[in-house]
Parts: sequence; C-alpha cells; structure tokens
Amino acid sequence: AQSVTQLDSHVSVSEGTPVLLRCNYSSSYSPSLFWYVQHPNKGLQLLLKYTSAATLVKGINGFEAEFKKSETSFHLTKPSAHMSDAAEYFCVVSDTSGTYKYIFGTGTRLKVLA
Amino acid sequence: EAQVTQNPRYLITVTGKKLTVTCSQNMNHEYMSWYRQDPGLGLRQIYYSMNVEVTDKGDVPEGYKVSRKEKRNFPLILESPSPNQTSLYFCASSPFGRALGELFFGEGSRLTVL
Repeated sequence: AQSVTQLDSHVSVSEGTPVLLRCNYSSSYSPSLFWYVQHPNKGLQLLLKYTSAATLVKGINGFEAEFKKSETSFHLTKPSAHMSDAAEYFCVVSDTSGTYKYIFGTGTRLKVLA
Repeated sequence: EAQVTQNPRYLITVTGKKLTVTCSQNMNHEYMSWYRQDPGLGLRQIYYSMNVEVTDKGDVPEGYKVSRKEKRNFPLILESPSPNQTSLYFCASSPFGRALGELFFGEGSRLTVL
C-alpha cells in the first residue's frame, strides 16, 4: 500500500532564510507526487507536481522539490522564506495501482518569524 | 473561470438530521472525490468517483453516501449525521488520463453536528 510521511509537523524559520519541508513516500509503482499549500481558512492550492518527467520540479512562489527515487523522498524547498509563506503544507501521492486514490501526508505547519 | 464549487460553506446541524453537501465542477473532469480534514490527521478520502455512475469507497466512508449521476456533480450525503462527523470537508476534481492528475479543490464546507 502507498503511504506518505511528512517528517515534521511544525517548522519555524526566520524570514529570508531557507525552507525545507520533508516528505517520504512508499509506493510500489511509479508515483505521481504533489505538494499543496493551505493558508488559514482557505482551500488547498497546488504548489508543484512530479509526474515522471524531470526529477527537479519548480513550482509557484519560488518553491521547488526534488524527486529522489533511491531515498523515496520528495522534499520541498525554498531559498528564502517570506512572511506570506506561513501556511500548512501537504505532500500527496496518487495511487494508480488499481485503487485510484490520493494519499495525503498529515501536514507541516510552517511558521515564518520576522 | 475553472472552479470547484461547494455548498454550503458553513453548516450547523443536529444529530440525525439528513443533510447534503453539493459539489460541482466546470472543468469536465472525470475524477471527483470528497475529503475530510481533521487536526493532526491531514486529509482523508471519503469517497471517489472515476466517472458517471462509478463510485468507490475511500479510507473513511462510514456514515456517508455519494452519487454521480452527472459528470459535473458529486454530492455528499450524510443520512444521519453524528457529532464525530464534525469536520472540514473538501470536494476535489481531477482530469484522468494515463494517470491521476492534480487535484482542484473547492473552498471547503465546515460542518458542525451538535
């Protein structure tokens, strides 16, 4: 069965410093992987997606993620945090092994300190 | 504008009073699904639909029903709501080709069952 683990439930960074949000997945098949962001009292917005093309994926607002099959990881990074990045982030894997589900991580809440 | 629309956005009801949360998408997507979001648990899939008249259980289907009579609509029905169904609910849709694509989310429906 496929699964997603977000290794940190909370991350705090200072404005202008790098952001690293960690995600590991388990999949028996070639997965599609996504990162979504949820600002307070809002819906979920796609940041970026990996669908078996380039392993380094660039998304919106300066975020990027690298798919590492050997480490089963898909960590999200940003070189310089902005106050507006404070939100909850979800790593998601799509399961196409026959069940056609999306499996969500439990989320990482990012706090950006002034 | 491409969107997923959920109604109502907020609802307070009482135990046992049947309710329906509507979901409609205008992107001609084949795949639609419902999720509930609870603190610390991320998003969990309730039901999903691959196309008209094709639905399947997600990870937490107990107490919910769905139907997919038209491609654009995917209502969530709570026949006899209970307090443990108090949650934030999201509807989402996705194009489906060779693999599941990115999910497009509605704004969410916050349900309180007293």
